[in-house]
Amino acid sequence: SAVISQKPSRDICQRGTSLTIQCQVDSQVTMMFWYRQQPGQSLTLIATANQGSEATYESGFVIDKFPISRPNLTFSTLTVSNMSPEDSSIYLCSVEPPRGGTDTQYFGPGTRLTVL
Amino acid sequence: GENVEQHPSTLSVQEGDSAVIKCTYSDSASNYFPWYKQELGKRPQLIIDIRSNVGEKKDQRIAVTLNKTAKHFSLHITETQPEDSAVYFCAATGGSYIPTFGRGTSLIVHP
Repeated sequence: SAVISQKPSRDICQRGTSLTIQCQVDSQVTMMFWYRQQPGQSLTLIATANQGSEATYESGFVIDKFPISRPNLTFSTLTVSNMSPEDSSIYLCSVEPPRGGTDTQYFGPGTRLTVL
Repeated sequence: GENVEQHPSTLSVQEGDSAVIKCTYSDSASNYFPWYKQELGKRPQLIIDIRSNVGEKKDQRIAVTLNKTAKHFSLHITETQPEDSAVYFCAATGGSYIPTFGRGTSLIVHP
């Protein structure tokens, strides 16, 4: 499986500020995904990020609030903009499965965000 | 779109007992069903999966069953151990690599 890292692992931020989360994978992948996991909840897909094209956002998530970059096949960033306490969550990136492997995604370690 | 229901939300068992978590899905086009285990403060990790052309799959103490007609699938853990305590998520995928997750089951195994 792919080795996925995220930075930062956790952060505490003030409301109204923005935080950019980085996701790095050790192999080239076409599809990367960003999820939000609110406390005690399931995983909710924010957007799919393909290299060379605009990210595709799920219902309820907009580019102005969660801008995403995908500059190459091993890296992506998610920015949480103009944060409020409701944005306190774990943010996880994931990648498509490797060729010949399972048909499911592999997740990064997550970024635990607390907004005060 | 796909809708996945998962029950129970919390499951408490004694060490050595069996645990069963059940999920139903709505989209008959879904053909791949992974199960994830998420320990506290850690990422979800795939523990077992099943494809729609198989009715049952087993890996040591873990097994998954699938009933395509009824659109439900279940996770079975036998001889539970305290280290099995975690949140378990079922999911259904229709070939896009984007799973629809259930709400999760918090499994507590008492020593």
